[in-house]
Amino acid sequence: EPEVTQTPSHQVTQMGQEVILRCVPISNHLYFYWYRQILGQKVEFLVSFYNNEISEKSEIFDDQFSVERPDGSNFTLKIRSTKLEDSAMYFCASSASGVGSPQHFGDGTRLSIL
Amino acid sequence: AQSVTQLDSQVPVFEEAPVELRCNYSSSVSVYLFWYVQYPNQGLQLLLKYLSGSTLVESINGFEAEFNKSQTSFHLRKPSVHISDTAEYFCAVRTRGSQGNLIFGKGTKLSVKP
Repeated sequence: EPEVTQTPSHQVTQMGQEVILRCVPISNHLYFYWYRQILGQKVEFLVSFYNNEISEKSEIFDDQFSVERPDGSNFTLKIRSTKLEDSAMYFCASSASGVGSPQHFGDGTRLSIL
Repeated sequence: AQSVTQLDSQVPVFEEAPVELRCNYSSSVSVYLFWYVQYPNQGLQLLLKYLSGSTLVESINGFEAEFNKSQTSFHLRKPSVHISDTAEYFCAVRTRGSQGNLIFGKGTKLSVKP
């Protein structure tokens, strides 16, 4: 069964540094998402992406964050200047077209900001 | 705004016992409902979903959930659990007719003991 893959599985970064989290969605999917889960808290929506543009974003997704689909297969989340509170598990998800299509999640990238 | 409440943060049960994981939601619009499971060190996997039709939905590994509109609930049940069902279970909603983001509950950790 096709999977969403995320790399790296664990990223350790100094506060203030830029970090890029990478995702390869399922190949025929059209909708892409990033979520995050701070330790002990809910999984929270960050952003959704469709047709090469952001379709929806949450309050968390401020100017420090950006997303890109650089080459038709990868979907990246960039955090420009990381803060301690950005430490979390970041999940990428994708879904096919069609209302009701479920979102398929990757295994996540654990981001640790020092 | 939508919200999902999972009242039980942890549910310990013995193997072969029945279990019910509770989920209630709040929404001013119609929603789709989902249960995701997260095994240790893995991503979120779709367990089952309610889109329309029969209010009772089943997964391939013996779980079922029933949509109750009047009680705004989507409780997850299994008549006899296995050790391998030990995981964290997340209830989620999404606005009906959209490809938008999922709103998650806080999760329930199911611990099955021999």
